[in-house]
Amino acid sequence: GENVEQHPSTLSVQEGDSAVIKCTYSDSASNYFPWYKQELGKGPQLIIDIRSNVGEKKDQRIAVTLNKTAKHFSLHITETQPEDSAVYFCAAVRGSSNTGKLIFGQGTTLQVKP
Amino acid sequence: DGGITQSPKYLFRKEGQNVTLSCEQNLNHDAMYWYRQDPGQGLRLIYYSQIVNDFQKGDIAEGYSVSREKKESFPLTVTSAQKNPTAFYLCATCRTGKPYNEQFFGPGTRLTVL
Repeated sequence: GENVEQHPSTLSVQEGDSAVIKCTYSDSASNYFPWYKQELGKGPQLIIDIRSNVGEKKDQRIAVTLNKTAKHFSLHITETQPEDSAVYFCAAVRGSSNTGKLIFGQGTTLQVKP
Repeated sequence: DGGITQSPKYLFRKEGQNVTLSCEQNLNHDAMYWYRQDPGQGLRLIYYSQIVNDFQKGDIAEGYSVSREKKESFPLTVTSAQKNPTAFYLCATCRTGKPYNEQFFGPGTRLTVL
């Protein structure tokens, strides 16, 4: 079945630096890749997503890139701020699924040090 | 979280007891999902429902049961058959159960079985 691997599990950066989180997926039929941010004690919230017909998408300080050939996608956060500290999850919709079911990566705990 | 209510936020139960977690939404979304979150792991799908009076098993359905009698409600029962029920449980909704649609998450319920 579909599998999503996420790295690193923890990431610590200085405020103002960039942060990159990478995910790989196994099902070449997957066609939708959302990223979620989870703050302590809360439910995850969508921050950006990308479809398989697009190679890159940007929203202010956040960008996502997708390499379909290599089956990996990455989250890039520039000019990091302390409020970016959270757990980030990548996900992929199951390629053969018509139900919107997602499979999630293991999560990355990002710490932005002031 | 807005529009999705999970109650209670913290729940304690004795081993061997069944417990029901509540999920209510006023977003008029068709699809609803239950996930389980454990430390160091991503979200794993327990059950999902694309329409009232219909639901399907996810990846880890054993020891859980659900019902979808109303569009607004999707309660999850953790039965005594669930071997390791202590976890953070998240409910999510989606406008439709189709790909490319954002899943919105509730604030979660932390269940501790003593």
